[in-house]
Amino acid sequence: EVQLVESGGGLVQPGGSLRLSCEASGFIFSTYWMTWVRQAPGKGLEWVANIKDDGSEKHYVDSVKGRFTISRDNVKNSLYLQMDSLRAEDTAVYYCTSGYCTTDRCYSSPDHWGQGALVTVSS
Amino acid sequence: SYELTQAPSVSVSPGQTARITCSGDALPKKYAYWYQQKSGQAPVLVIYEDSKRPSGIPERFSGSSSGTMATLTISGAQVEDEADYYCYSTDNSDRVFGGGTKLTVL
Repeated sequence: EVQLVESGGGLVQPGGSLRLSCEASGFIFSTYWMTWVRQAPGKGLEWVANIKDDGSEKHYVDSVKGRFTISRDNVKNSLYLQMDSLRAEDTAVYYCTSGYCTTDRCYSSPDHWGQGALVTVSS
Repeated sequence: SYELTQAPSVSVSPGQTARITCSGDALPKKYAYWYQQKSGQAPVLVIYEDSKRPSGIPERFSGSSSGTMATLTISGAQVEDEADYYCYSTDNSDRVFGGGTKLTVL
């Protein structure tokens, strides 16, 4: 059974930093794209960043470029999101998601989701 | 930047067919994905690659795509299908979710 467990959320002041972690189990982590998706309170889903299976490619939504860094450790089966220069508008539940593979190729589109970690940016 | 457009809400009676649409200029050449999110829960993938259903998803959920519109159809909607539904797709370097459609079944 695929499990994705986020940790590291909490309350942080504007301009501060936070590091989210996602521990994966139940699948071969090193084979799949991984993605962070967030959801502000009462709002819809927003794609944030993704990283290729071997970490060689990373992509970010414009609003977090230069402030957030996605990374992974395929030995520890873990995904990370380093968030710096946090703003009030970054307040959201952050979900860790895994991609999927067919016989032909692998896709980054979210398949399995964790339960999310709440990040609140407020003074 | 790329956008996917969904109606904010759809309402049906139990047993009726619910259709939720998603429009986007790149849908003729890119897959659509659909996610169900019940209140207070994480999203769940219900349709991938326009029309494929993951294991464990009831057969009443189906998907289709034609031109610039993708459609999620719930045939014989049940009360437990009441949820927010989001489409997702890509265009070049953009990866986006639609704004979401709240499905009410009552």
